[in-house]
Amino acid sequence: EIVMTQSPATLSVSPGERATLSCRASQSLSSNLAWYQQKPGQAPRLLIYGASTRATDIPARFSGTGSGTEFTLTISSLQSEDFAVYYCQQYSSWPKYTFGQGTKLEFK
Amino acid sequence: QVHLVQSGAEVKKPGSSVKVSCKPSGGAFNNYAMNWVRQAPGQGLEWMGGINPMFNTSTYARTFQGRVTITADESTSTAYMELSSLGSEDTAVYYCASPAPGHYYYMDLWGKGTTVTVSS
Repeated sequence: EIVMTQSPATLSVSPGERATLSCRASQSLSSNLAWYQQKPGQAPRLLIYGASTRATDIPARFSGTGSGTEFTLTISSLQSEDFAVYYCQQYSSWPKYTFGQGTKLEFK
Repeated sequence: QVHLVQSGAEVKKPGSSVKVSCKPSGGAFNNYAMNWVRQAPGQGLEWMGGINPMFNTSTYARTFQGRVTITADESTSTAYMELSSLGSEDTAVYYCASPAPGHYYYMDLWGKGTTVTVSS
């Protein structure tokens, strides 16, 4: 089973600043990685797939990079609505999936 | 725009089973490979398993193997997740999630979640 590890667990950032979230896989995923955003009381929302492709209607301030085992989600200039929990998910072992444990992005 | 519509909240006794449903609001049912994701209170997302209605094949996470059954009824265009031998640790929100038609792997579409509470 592929294990996904996200860091840090919590990231404190001020609005307007850049946030960088990391995700590491226990084995190579190629580019088979997605990122999701979840706000309290809501279902997750797809942000990025294929490690770097933004999903429909996702603002350009969200970007994903990486391949193999190391991946990064960057939010270039944080807006108030971006404070949420972010999850990476591998689909390299489709039809089986694994999520990371999440990074909580909080207001500094 | 397609939505995934889930059944309502459930309260169950320990040792019992729960069956949650999920129905796409539009489009051909067999275009939706339906997955189930669990989220315990204050915890992260956990993939439980999924079904490909086109081939009627189900895949399960090792953690839930033997205790979860995911099925699809094409006549009603509804997917189901049944979890048995419930314990307090199964108290969680259960989401169905699927790639959008034409996509294959990542989960574009999510239901709003079904809260399952296990309590004596």
